[in-house]
Amino acid sequence: KQEVTQIPAALSVPEGENLVLNCSFTDSAIYNLQWFRQDPGKGLTSLLLIQSSQREQTSGRLNASLDKSSGRSTLYIAASQPGDSATYLCAGSYNTNAGKSTFGDGTTLTVKP
Amino acid sequence: KAGVTQTPRYLIKTRGQQVTLSCSPISGHRSVSWYQQTPGQGLQFLFEYFSETQRNKGNFPGRFSGRQFSNSRSEMNVSTLELGDSALYLCASSLVTAGGPGNIQYFGAGTRLSVL
Repeated sequence: KQEVTQIPAALSVPEGENLVLNCSFTDSAIYNLQWFRQDPGKGLTSLLLIQSSQREQTSGRLNASLDKSSGRSTLYIAASQPGDSATYLCAGSYNTNAGKSTFGDGTTLTVKP
Repeated sequence: KAGVTQTPRYLIKTRGQQVTLSCSPISGHRSVSWYQQTPGQGLQFLFEYFSETQRNKGNFPGRFSGRQFSNSRSEMNVSTLELGDSALYLCASSLVTAGGPGNIQYFGAGTRLSVL
């Protein structure tokens, strides 16, 4: 069974701190892994997608890594800001060209001014 | 370029009724997926449509159904509503390619369904 786990469920950090969010998946046959951000009551915003052949992707202050052998992905946020406060979800896709993803339960991040 | 559009944004129904939700994907995207999000179960995959055909299906009862039209717009229908169907229903579209960034899923704002 393909499962995606995110720990911790919640994280609170002071503004300016660098932080890492964790995502674990049980099936190493993952095709790609996508990180999303969700603000309360809103839809999901795509942050980064890593293909199974890649090790990492970067966008601005965000860096996502993928290690298939250990079943782990991390999202690194540099110099956190209060506007980064949101729930961060990771999702694994196991089929090529298929829009079926298995989601973790998310990590709710609070960045305090 | 317009994003994924879901209508309506909010819906209130009573038990036993049926409901239809609509999703218009990003122009050029042929894959549309539906997800249910609840506080207890998180985000769960319902089904995916590609070129008017259901390509993947999650573990939901037959009361949940969908379809996709030739213009890639998709509808999701839930019949005989139950209290437990109250949730945020999210639609995602993707530009399907043979690998690469085309598999990025773009989500709409969702339809909040409340069943009374």
